[in-house]
Amino acid sequence: GAVVSQHPSWVICKSGTSVKIECRSLDFQATTMFWYRQFPKQSLMLMATSNEGSKATYEQGVEKDKFLINHASLTLSTLTVTSAHPEDSSFYICSAWAQARGHNQPQHFGDGTRLSIL
Amino acid sequence: AQKITQTQPGMFVQEKEAVTLDCTYDTSDQSYGLFWYKQPSSGEMIFLIYQGSYDEQNATEGRYSLNFQKARKSANLVISASQLGDSAMYFCAMRDDVFYNQGGKLIFGQGTELSVKP
Repeated sequence: GAVVSQHPSWVICKSGTSVKIECRSLDFQATTMFWYRQFPKQSLMLMATSNEGSKATYEQGVEKDKFLINHASLTLSTLTVTSAHPEDSSFYICSAWAQARGHNQPQHFGDGTRLSIL
Repeated sequence: AQKITQTQPGMFVQEKEAVTLDCTYDTSDQSYGLFWYKQPSSGEMIFLIYQGSYDEQNATEGRYSLNFQKARKSANLVISASQLGDSAMYFCAMRDDVFYNQGGKLIFGQGTELSVKP
């Protein structure tokens, strides 16, 4: 299957710092990348959808200025959590998808990032 | 509106037995795809199986099969010969043509936590 790399896997940092998470599609060009947040024992919550070279589309209730998304190329998207606070602690996971590959193509996920803000 | 429902928060199965995880969906679109993902405690999302709405045969992938009943709008995952490594969260997801054309968004169910007993 397709490979999506997400870094870092774990981040522990002090309140007020900004944290950048990278999501790379290693073996295909992704039309779209998605960013999710997940709380323990819960489903994935879509935060935003990003397409290469255009502004991300944020889901209702997600602060655009808090969660900055950049999709600089067809293989790289980044999520920056700005001025992170303890309530931003969570599991963040990205996925990549290529529309040209057809209806049966799943979103391919990275391994996720566990973010802990002290 | 599109919706996915997984009514079993948790399931137990004895090793080597088969288990069925339920999933019902709702969409007004005639063209859609159904996906199942496995999420172990380590967090990564592993794509298991896909079923297209126009596929006449139930999808199978190794020990995984999808019991697709279109009239009932259900897409249950069947895992045969359960193994200890099958213990994980399982998510059902759907993407209809509306979402396909708008960038590939998936709608996820709440998930089912499967525990395989030795």
